[in-house]
Amino acid sequence: EPEVTQTPSHQVTQMGQEVILRCVPISNHLYFYWYRQILGQKVEFLVSFYNNEISEKSEIFDDQFSVERPDGSNFTLKIRSTKLEDSAMYFCASSESGSEQYFGPGTRLTVT
Amino acid sequence: AQSVTQPDIHITVSEGASLELRCNYSYGATPYLFWYVQSPGQGLQLLLKYFSGDTLVQGIKGFEAEFKRSQSSFNLRKPSVHWSDAAEYFCAVGLTYGGATNKLIFGTGTLLAVQP
Repeated sequence: EPEVTQTPSHQVTQMGQEVILRCVPISNHLYFYWYRQILGQKVEFLVSFYNNEISEKSEIFDDQFSVERPDGSNFTLKIRSTKLEDSAMYFCASSESGSEQYFGPGTRLTVT
Repeated sequence: AQSVTQPDIHITVSEGASLELRCNYSYGATPYLFWYVQSPGQGLQLLLKYFSGDTLVQGIKGFEAEFKRSQSSFNLRKPSVHWSDAAEYFCAVGLTYGGATNKLIFGTGTLLAVQP
């Protein structure tokens, strides 16, 4: 069964550094999403992406964040200058038709 | 504002017992509703979804959920719980635009423990 994959599974970085989180969505899916879950809190929407542009973004998704689909298979989330409060589990999701979303296993980002 | 409430933070049931996890939502239009399950160290797995039509929907692993518009609820049920069902369960409402779900709003989750 096709799955969303994410790399790395765990990323440790220092405050102020740039990080890129990578996702490979399910191959025939057209809608892509990033969410995050701070430890002990609910899953929060960050951004949705369709047809090579952002469809919607949350207040969290400020100028420090960007997304890109650099080729036909990858979908990336970049954080330009990480802060301590960016420490969270980041989930990528994809959807074929924009209805149900399928999630990857997540990347745990730790900012020290 | 759109929101999802899961009133039960933690529930413990005995193996073989029935289960009902509560979910209430606040959304102005007809909602797209979802239940996801998260096992420790795993991602979110889609259990079932409601878009329209029959208000009782069947999902994977023997789960079902019933949409009740009058109560703004979408409770998850299972007739007989297995030890492998121990996990965290999230209810979510999908906010749509142009026919596509642009984002999911999640509840805080219910952690299910299963006693032997």
